[in-house]
Amino acid sequence: GQQVMQIPQYQHVQEGEDFTTYCNSSTTLSNIQWYKQRPGGHPVFLIQLVKSGEVKKQKRLTFQFGEAKKNSSLHITATQTTDVGTYFCAGRKAGNYQLIWGAGTKLIIKP
Amino acid sequence: EAGVTQSPTHLIKTRGQQATLRCSPISGHTSVYWYQQALGLGLQFLLWYDEGEERNRGNFPPRFSGRQFPNYSSELNVNALELEDSALYLCASSLPFLDITSPDTQYFGPGTRLTVL
Repeated sequence: GQQVMQIPQYQHVQEGEDFTTYCNSSTTLSNIQWYKQRPGGHPVFLIQLVKSGEVKKQKRLTFQFGEAKKNSSLHITATQTTDVGTYFCAGRKAGNYQLIWGAGTKLIIKP
Repeated sequence: EAGVTQSPTHLIKTRGQQATLRCSPISGHTSVYWYQQALGLGLQFLLWYDEGEERNRGNFPPRFSGRQFPNYSSELNVNALELEDSALYLCASSLPFLDITSPDTQYFGPGTRLTVL
């Protein structure tokens, strides 16, 4: 069935290091969304990518949508404690109304 | 603008009982989604309602059911509760999906923490 694979499951970084999470779909996506869930909170929408090869930036966050619209990534430069949380991607298969969620990548800042 | 609200915040039940969880979407949103999130895990899609109809259903047994009312609020019912049903149940709402550029962002409520003893 339709799946969106998200890796890694966890990433431990020192504050100031970079963080990247990747999402891959077996089929072409019409768009992909990214959400962040802080510990104890609920998912909050970050961004939506629609176009092939699209790159969007939000301060230290860079979001990319692959040329084939089958993969996407979120890169955070110079992580801060406020970045801690779980980052989810959610893709929509072309012609389908349903969002398919990745399993999430948990960003953990090493003490 | 008021966000998505869910009630109750916490719910404690025993095995075999029934639980009813409620969700009020953002004004103007017609779609309501239900997710189950077990502790420390990802979002498992349960149900999607739009304009009062069930649009899609996740891979959950029939004892998970729900409905959407004319005012677009929604209810999730879980019958014959099992221990593994203990989880955070999240409701989200969105504008209707029109095309791939639609801002069909899902706005989540704070969730209902269900504990089954």
